[in-house]
Amino acid sequence: DAGITQSPRYKITETGRQVTLMCHQTWSHSYMFWYRQDLGHGLRLIYYSAAADITDKGEVPDGYVVSRSKTENFPLTLESATRSQTSVYFCASFRGGGGSYNEQFFGPGTRLTVL
Amino acid sequence: AQKVTQAQTEISVVEKEDVTLDCVYETRDTTYYLFWYKQPPSGELVFLIRRNSFDEQNEISGRYSWNFQKSTSSFNFTITASQVVDSAVYFCALSTRGSGYSTLTFGKGTMLLVSP
Repeated sequence: DAGITQSPRYKITETGRQVTLMCHQTWSHSYMFWYRQDLGHGLRLIYYSAAADITDKGEVPDGYVVSRSKTENFPLTLESATRSQTSVYFCASFRGGGGSYNEQFFGPGTRLTVL
Repeated sequence: AQKVTQAQTEISVVEKEDVTLDCVYETRDTTYYLFWYKQPPSGELVFLIRRNSFDEQNEISGRYSWNFQKSTSSFNFTITASQVVDSAVYFCALSTRGSGYSTLTFGKGTMLLVSP
């Protein structure tokens, strides 16, 4: 199906374990983003990517690693999960480029619990 | 740096009441875009509207209307005759030319509860 998908939708892990959250979009959008949503903080940008092999830090990048070898995929890895990384994670994509601006489209979210 | 403030953390209304959600933004850029997103209890984020900094016309879409005022750096959202299905968290967001329009800065959201 066309759109933006995230997997898994729910994940429970333990402190210190490595976790990878997957994001896939079928629009060939240039830009992809990872946000985390926490009560009282709204959505905060973790990392984003303007194109394959180009990534940049957002507001809260510490403890996270991203890669983008293909335009359609943008995995987010927590190398050693901590309880403070318990959150809902949203992936988004955006066409970018010149001309009229388009809104970001969001995936359904991944609820991650770190015990 | 940019900032979006949604001072109302939670609003409760009774069905059919009108409600306004406030959004105040800060940016030094003269060219920017403002957005509203809705997050219903199911959790997904739904795009509602985009407005660029050169277009101060108010927008109306059914029961929804938006009031953009550059003089007060505000982009307020009004729901007329609210319904239970309007219950959600609403986020205001800002994207600026300085960031290449590539990133969004979100407010912390306003939770709207509409009771029957």
